[in-house]
Amino acid sequence: DVHLVQSGGGPVNPGGSLRLSCAASGFTFGSYSMNWVRQAPGKGLECVSSISSIGSYVYYADSVKGRFTISRDNAKNSLYLQMTSLRAEDTAVYYCVRDETVTSWGIFDYWGQGTLVTVSS
Amino acid sequence: EIVLTQSPDTLSVSPGERATLSCRASQRVRSNSLAWYQQRPGQAPRLLIFGTSNRGTGIPDRFSGSGSGTDFTLTISRLEPGDFAVYYCQQYGSTPWTFGPGTKVEIK
Repeated sequence: DVHLVQSGGGPVNPGGSLRLSCAASGFTFGSYSMNWVRQAPGKGLECVSSISSIGSYVYYADSVKGRFTISRDNAKNSLYLQMTSLRAEDTAVYYCVRDETVTSWGIFDYWGQGTLVTVSS
Repeated sequence: EIVLTQSPDTLSVSPGERATLSCRASQRVRSNSLAWYQQRPGQAPRLLIFGTSNRGTGIPDRFSGSGSGTDFTLTISRLEPGDFAVYYCQQYGSTPWTFGPGTKVEIK
């Protein structure tokens, strides 16, 4: 079974930094693109960052460009999101999401449990 | 950026009945690259449909998708208790990939 177990997150002051981690199991991690998708409280979904299977291609939403960095360690089956210069509007549940990849990029077939990031003073 | 609009905002349906949800794109979705997700309260979204009409792993055939171009539909036949949730459409034909605002299916 595919499992994506997230860690990190929590409260942080505006302007602060936080690192999210996602441990993958049950599939060949290095063969799949991965994503971070967030959901502000009571709101819809936004894909904030994506990374290709070997990390050669990355994508950032305009809302986080220059502040967030996505990375992966295929030897450790892990995905990361380094978040800096955090703002109140970054408050959201962040999901680690596997990209189905085989058919197309952008099909989000497995989701982690989500972790809440709260940016507030 | 492709903007997705979903209707209605809320759909009230009785168990056992059919639900029809709509998703409209601001421009043509390339290769009909349209997916649907279900999100139950307090849970992560779950992939239901991709490629407009292909069911995800383990998704029952009560869920079906159709459409093309800019207009897409998710149909849920014979609603069961676990189907009362929020449904999101998403296009992945053009970056940035975008989601619709969601349709809440509630018990009538």
